[in-house]
Formats: sequence, structure tokens, C-alpha cells
Amino acid sequence: DSGVTQTPKHLITATGQRVTLRCSPRSGDLSVYWYQQSLDQGLQFLIQYYNGEERAKGNILERFSAQQFPDLHSELNLSSLELGDSALYFCASSTGTGNGYTFGSGTRLTVV
Amino acid sequence: GIQVEQSPPDLILQEGANSTLRCNFSDSVNNLQWFHQNPWGQLINLFYIPSGTKQNGRLSATTVATERYSLLYISSSQTTDSGVYFCAVVYSGNTPLVFGKGTRLSVIA
Repeated sequence: DSGVTQTPKHLITATGQRVTLRCSPRSGDLSVYWYQQSLDQGLQFLIQYYNGEERAKGNILERFSAQQFPDLHSELNLSSLELGDSALYFCASSTGTGNGYTFGSGTRLTVV
Repeated sequence: GIQVEQSPPDLILQEGANSTLRCNFSDSVNNLQWFHQNPWGQLINLFYIPSGTKQNGRLSATTVATERYSLLYISSSQTTDSGVYFCAVVYSGNTPLVFGKGTRLSVIA
């Protein structure tokens, strides 16, 4: 167990639907990062939150949004889903000093 | 932004063989990590190694920050070592990890 918890582990949904992925960071970590990994691809950075505030944005679609709550857990919302959104979505956390990033086990999203 | 290049992209080994994976990065980094993604998709942190050398069992890693590269050594490979090995770097403190495209390793019995 890495200490970063992601739920659900698997999600199957239809095109056009909306889903929410949840991430609880490792205890004491203030930064949360979301990454997308499409089939046989590398990890693409989506968005970062630090202590409740958006800190950095990567290649995140307008249909996607995220937030970090006061208890530091984060949610990634994906709407108007398309077949191409099928991917592994990872959450990572860190203290915010750049010293060591820990990844959750991922959520595998399948859009049918 | 910072570029991370990994080589080779694919590697096939006979069980028991040794291998060296390379990661080049285009700028000074604050942090460098090696990850193993197993066939089930889990990302496992192998090393946090912004500089110097570390060893963990059959795996070891060396980062030469001044020359902007890192090496991951796998000795006496086993079939369970199969998967994709990613190098990822951080440009400065509180910023996202930037990943290379990975090296896909297949160890054959």
C-alpha cells in the first residue's frame, strides 16, 4: 500500500456520461497530481492542486475538472465522455518540496 | 519545457541476463524517480535518486546530475521484472513529474 488511495479501481460507463474519480493523498502530503495514461502511452500530466488551490495545469480537456477539498482529498470530474477518454487515471501526492512522489494504484476507466 | 528521453524503447532479455536502461534529461532537475509499471498497470516507485547511486537488491540506479542522465541497472533478471520502466523528473520544488516514454522490458524464461 503506497498510502495514496484511489477509488474506484475500475469504472465502465457509456459515452456522454459523467464520472468522478477520487483520490486520498498520503498523510501529510499537501500536493495532489492527476495523470492520464492512454493505452500503451506514457503518463500525461493533467492538473495539480496544492493545499486546496490549483497550482498547475497540463493537457487537461475543458470537459475535465478537478478540485481539492479541505481534508486534502481530490476529485477529478470527467464529463461528456468519449471513447478516447478510456485510460488509466493516476493520482499522485507529494509534500510539495519536490522530494518524492507517491502514486496510487489508478482508476481504469472504460467508455463504451 | 523539460524533455526526458529513455532508451532503449524496447528490450527483450533471457532470464538471468543483466541490463542497463538510460534516461537523459534536458535541464537541471530537483528530483528524479524510476518507476516500474507491472503488467497489471500498477506504478511502483523504485528509486528516488536526484544524484548519486543507490541499490535495492538486484536493482541499482545512478544519476549524474551534472551530465543530465540516469541509469537503471537490473541484474540477474527474472520474469517478474517484465513491464515498463519509467524515468520521471521534477524541474523545481513543487511542480509535476515529467515522464519519459518508458522502456518496455520483457524477460523470457
